[in-house]
Amino acid sequence: AQSVTQPDIHITVSEGASLELRCNYSYGATPYLFWYVQSPGQGLQLLLKYFSGDTLVQGIKGFEAEFKRSQSSFNLRKPSVHWSDAAEYFCAVVPSGGYQKVTFGTGTKLQVIP
Amino acid sequence: ETGVTQTPRHLVMGMTNKKSLKCEQHLGHNAMYWYKQSAKKPLELMFVYNFKEQTENNSVPSRFSPECPNSSHLFLHLHTLQPEDSALYLCASSQGTTRDTDTQYFGPGTRLTVL
Repeated sequence: AQSVTQPDIHITVSEGASLELRCNYSYGATPYLFWYVQSPGQGLQLLLKYFSGDTLVQGIKGFEAEFKRSQSSFNLRKPSVHWSDAAEYFCAVVPSGGYQKVTFGTGTKLQVIP
Repeated sequence: ETGVTQTPRHLVMGMTNKKSLKCEQHLGHNAMYWYKQSAKKPLELMFVYNFKEQTENNSVPSRFSPECPNSSHLFLHLHTLQPEDSALYLCASSQGTTRDTDTQYFGPGTRLTVL
């Protein structure tokens, strides 16, 4: 079955440390990939998206993600985390030909400690 | 006002009540969506509207009734809900380009509690 997996439910990092959030998908063809962030009590904000081309994608708030076809992954990274990055992060996938059928992962909750 | 707005932000209702959630998008989009976000579960797509026409109903119980009077407004009418319907209800919109790259933008959500 097609799926999106975020293996880490909860991650804690120190402020200023680097961050990597994992996302794996299982689809036959290369899907379209997104990362969203949700702050407490808020909706989802689009961080970045990958459709084609350069496999390293830059997003807002200093985030980037790298698409690795061989690993079916689309991991989100940030070189130096700020306290305001504490939130829940969702990977989302639209399979090729799956217009409007977005599948979301279960999310990774990020805690930032001083 | 910009983006996607939702009202109310919080709603508490009894199982016999009737209430409505409202969503408005200021992005000039043509597609609108309702999602349900429950604790420890992935977001669940409920309904999709394209150019005011409902194009997706993801097996949602009839106690949820959507309405899309125009491309900018979307409602979710609620009646005789169950406690398990308590969740965050998110509205989203997109251009509606009929392409896989159509990106969805979300509102802040309505936190619904059913007593």
